[in-house]
Amino acid sequence: DVKVTQSSRYLVKRTGEKVFLECVQDMDHENMFWYRQDPGLGLRLIYFSYDVKMKEKGDIPEGYSVSREKKERFSLILESASTNQTSMYLCASSLSGSLANYGYTFGSGTRLTVV
Amino acid sequence: QKEVEQDPGPLSVPEGAIVSLNCTYSNSAFQYFMWYRQYSRKGPELLMYTYSSGNKEDGRFTAQVDKSSKYISLFIRDSQPSDSATYLCAMKMDSWGKLQFGAGTQVVVTP
Repeated sequence: DVKVTQSSRYLVKRTGEKVFLECVQDMDHENMFWYRQDPGLGLRLIYFSYDVKMKEKGDIPEGYSVSREKKERFSLILESASTNQTSMYLCASSLSGSLANYGYTFGSGTRLTVV
Repeated sequence: QKEVEQDPGPLSVPEGAIVSLNCTYSNSAFQYFMWYRQYSRKGPELLMYTYSSGNKEDGRFTAQVDKSSKYISLFIRDSQPSDSATYLCAMKMDSWGKLQFGAGTQVVVTP
């Protein structure tokens, strides 16, 4: 069974901490994505990557950075966590181009609370 | 105006009823359409994908696309309590495969 694995289900961090969220996929997918999901706001794209070492800003990149050193791993970094970054974070992956017509595979999500 | 509009619900139906979910979109360039189901505190999972206008059926689920009206629907027949979840529509935005999501509709099926 294909999988996208997020390293933590729940995280509690303090304001100002540097936070790393890890995501690994075993499907040899080219594309990887980071979203945050908040009640009433739906899924908002933070960053995406369509190849190793490539990254593109999404709709809400401020306060975040990403790293993709290997094809299977895409990390989201909160440089200095703030309370307004408390959210559910979802990683997803997909094939590229016409094969992306079959959509994303999502991880189970990381619920991050910043106190 | 959002590119994809979806009523957030909640939509409450009795067990056995037909659930009808809808999304409208504004970008006529969208060509590939998906429905995801998300249980509480889980990631979304792909239910169905479709390309052309018309119907696509998979068991109790039917996806319908009307490109001329920029309107997509998902029907769930003989609904079960296990269908209680949030349903998100999604559309492929670009050649890379980036998706535009609706906000999701919460469905509650009561026994």
